[in-house]
Order: sequence, then C-alpha cells, then structure tokens
Amino acid sequence: DTEVTQTPKHLVMGMTNKKSLKCEQHMGHRAMYWYKQKAKKPPELMFVYSYEKLSINESVPSRFSPECPNSSLLNLHLHALQPEDSALYLCASSQTLAARTDTQYFGPGTRLTVL
Amino acid sequence: DAKTTQPNSMESNEEEPVHLPCNHSTISGTDYIHWYRQLPSQGPEYVIHGLTSNVNNRMASLAIAEDRKSSTLILHRATLRDAAVYYCISKAAGNKLTFGGGTRVLVKP
Repeated sequence: DTEVTQTPKHLVMGMTNKKSLKCEQHMGHRAMYWYKQKAKKPPELMFVYSYEKLSINESVPSRFSPECPNSSLLNLHLHALQPEDSALYLCASSQTLAARTDTQYFGPGTRLTVL
Repeated sequence: DAKTTQPNSMESNEEEPVHLPCNHSTISGTDYIHWYRQLPSQGPEYVIHGLTSNVNNRMASLAIAEDRKSSTLILHRATLRDAAVYYCISKAAGNKLTFGGGTRVLVKP
C-alpha cells in the first residue's frame, strides 16, 4: 500500500472556526510533511516530522498547529485563519528524513476555503 | 538546496517524445536530482531521481550532463495522461524538497 490519505477533501471555514486536517499513511514511513499550495504555484513546505517529533517549521504562523500522535498519523489544527490561507494543503511521507534518495509520497490534498 | 530553472511550459504531440530541460548550475557534488510531476487536481508524484549516471524507469529517463549543471527528463512517448506540471528539484541532505516553478506540459492529441 503506497497511499497517503487525507481528510476531508474539501473544507470551508470561517475566520473564527477551529478545524483539523488529517493525514494517514501505512507504509511504515517515519517522516511526514505538510505543504501549502496556492493556485498556479508550486507546493511550499510548512512542517516536517521525523519519528513523531517536529523537525522543521518553516516559520509558519501559529494559527497553524501540527500534531503527530503516532507514526501513521499527522494532523494540522487550524484556528483563526485568514482568507489568504485558502489553499490546497498537501501531506506527504517518506521512509526517513535524512536520505538524499528517499522519495516522498503525497496525498491528494485538502482544498481549504476560509471565508 | 541548489536553485533549479525550468521553462514555464512545453507542448508535445501525443505519442512523441518530450524532453524537459532543467538547469541546476549551483548543484553540489552530493545533491541528487529529483523529478516529480503533478497531474491536475492531484498531489505531486515521484517520477525519477539520479546523481551522475543516466537513469531509466518505467515512467521516464533522466539524462544528467557530465558537469551536472543540467539534466533532461525524457518522456519517451507522451500520452494525454502525461499532461502535468513537472518539477525538477535538487535535493540535499535532510530530504527537504524545495519546489521551483516547474514546467507545464501540454499534450495534444
């Protein structure tokens, strides 16, 4: 099974709402990633977890809060978002964080709209 | 990670080869060259990677220049399903992918 699943597929939320995005993989990968992708732009890295510990935070605003409860699951908690945070949020996983040769497997993304 | 430069877009006819160039003139000796593609409404998917030698797999071939300052992804027979944005990435240690602008490939029937 080489699949990364993400739920929900679409999410519409108001600026005062709290919501969460969920990502799951069962490939035994120990590195998991969140990316943000605006329309017609390349994906931008937000967070990286390695062995369930936060390894990289690309200076993401605190209204985005990642969580890795176990090696298969990655969450992104959203609170007090702005309309400019509307984007496609992609989750990915890879065997490890360190190897130059490891490939990343991406989920289909969650399309987020902030009203 | 070294910066990569790719053309914004390329067109091809169905069943013809497509050659996608990528410049990475500041690449270090140990950085790998990775290619990913993103089909419409999907997440990126891995295509191929290499260090110095040319590489082949079921999806594509990767030709790397001898000085490693450039590489070319070759799709041998483009199909309509190959229409996507193709990203060339120079990857250093830490497995952090930094996506550049990519090349949008249009395949005409």
